[in-house]
Amino acid sequence: QVQLQESGPGQVKPSETLSLTCVVSGYSINSGYYWGWIRQSPGKGLEWIGWISHRAATFYNSSLKGRVTVSLDTSKNQFSLKLSSVTAADTAVYYCARGAGATTGGYFDSWGRGTLVTVSS
Amino acid sequence: SYELTQPPSVSVSPGQTASITCSGDDLGDKYVSWYQQKPGQSPVLVIYQDNKRPSGIPERFSGSNSGNTATLTISGTQPMDEADYYCQAWDTSSASNYVFGTGTEVTV
Repeated sequence: QVQLQESGPGQVKPSETLSLTCVVSGYSINSGYYWGWIRQSPGKGLEWIGWISHRAATFYNSSLKGRVTVSLDTSKNQFSLKLSSVTAADTAVYYCARGAGATTGGYFDSWGRGTLVTVSS
Repeated sequence: SYELTQPPSVSVSPGQTASITCSGDDLGDKYVSWYQQKPGQSPVLVIYQDNKRPSGIPERFSGSNSGNTATLTISGTQPMDEADYYCQAWDTSSASNYVFGTGTEVTV
C-alpha cells in the first residue's frame, strides 16, 4: 500500500521560499500516476497547487502566478514543492498526494498526513 | 474560473440518508470525485469517476452526476460519517484545473 509523508520547515519568513518534500513508500514514483500538492488554509477548503507526472511533466495552478515548482527525485522516490515569495496568505497545511490523470478524473487516491507551514517573521 | 458550490452544512439522523450536492456548469460532462475529511485528518477519497468506490469504502457511500449537479449519498448514515465532504472535478478551461468544491459539513 502506498504511503506518503511530507517533511520540511514548519515556519517560513515572508518573501522567502517554502520548500517541502514528500517521501513515497510502497510504490515507485516513476512507474506511473501523478504526484501532487494540495493545501488547506486554517479553517478553509482545499486548494490544488500542482502536480508532476511520473515522466516529470508539470502542471500548476496558475492562480499562484508562477511561484510554484514541483520536481521529482526518482533515486530517493520522492518529490518536492517550492513556493517562492510567500506571504501570510500561504500559511496552510500542505498535503502531498498521488493522483490519477485528468482523462480519468484527476482524483487523488492516497494522501500524506499533511504538514503545517506558517509564514511569519 | 470554474467553481463548484456545495451547501455549507447538512444534518442527518443516524440511520437516515444524507445527500450532499455539488453544483457547477456542465458538471455532468466531467468526472467528479468526493473526499471525506475528519477533524485533524487528511482527506480520504470515497467516490471517484462519479460513482465508483475505492477499496475499503463502505457500500453506503454512492455518487451520481448529471446536468449541473453531482450528488454524494450516504445511506444508513452512521455517527462515524460525521465529517467535511468535498467534491472535486477537473476543468480544462479553469486556471486551477483541479477544482475543489466549497465543502459541506455533515452532522449526524
